[in-house]
Amino acid sequence: NAGVTQTPKFQVLKTGQSMTLQCAQDMNHNSMYWYRQDPGMGLRLIYYSASEGTTDKGEVPNGYNVSRLNKREFSLRLESAAPSQTSVYFCASSEAMGRNSPLHFGNGTRLTVT
Amino acid sequence: GEDVEQSLFLSVREGDSSVINCTYTDSSSTYLYWYKQEPGAGLQLLTYIFSNMDMKQDQRLTVLLNKKDKHLSLRIADTQTGDSAIYFCAESNAGNNRKLIWGLGTSLAVNP
Repeated sequence: NAGVTQTPKFQVLKTGQSMTLQCAQDMNHNSMYWYRQDPGMGLRLIYYSASEGTTDKGEVPNGYNVSRLNKREFSLRLESAAPSQTSVYFCASSEAMGRNSPLHFGNGTRLTVT
Repeated sequence: GEDVEQSLFLSVREGDSSVINCTYTDSSSTYLYWYKQEPGAGLQLLTYIFSNMDMKQDQRLTVLLNKKDKHLSLRIADTQTGDSAIYFCAESNAGNNRKLIWGLGTSLAVNP
């Protein structure tokens, strides 16, 4: 049972380059999320998708875009990478929002922007 | 605004009990969660407690909730080296169930 799968695991970008982080879940979950994790800052929500066809901004959306491609997949795009976007990115999914619905996390993408 | 606070580090000896503490500010919290993050991995749900409970036990894990003081704790009995990880407290509330409010995590080191 794969759960939440993120690709790639590691990436190094130069400032100004673009890339898309991919995320897929096989649990038939309705809601999906993108977080970034930085030392001393904890987890910060970038964007989320409550259900297929909807996306909303989280706490730190600037510099990112997302696409909920279908129920399974939720991608995060950096259009013009900046060193401040060096971080570990986690995708998560949950059955729904608005009730007890724990998040299931992928193993993360470690991104370095030079 | 809502906030969740945890101490950043805890060190225990193997076989001892560990107690990780968390305080939160939102009095309308409905569910409180404990997640574990091992090095290089994502977060895994360990356990959760509903706000109308004051205790939940699951094998070596005991969660205590003091709603009056807005204090949550996670006790790990007979701590093992495999328990070394970062433990995150998170809360959701009736008013804004769209996202969890996370603590910064407590790094637990278990010494042989």
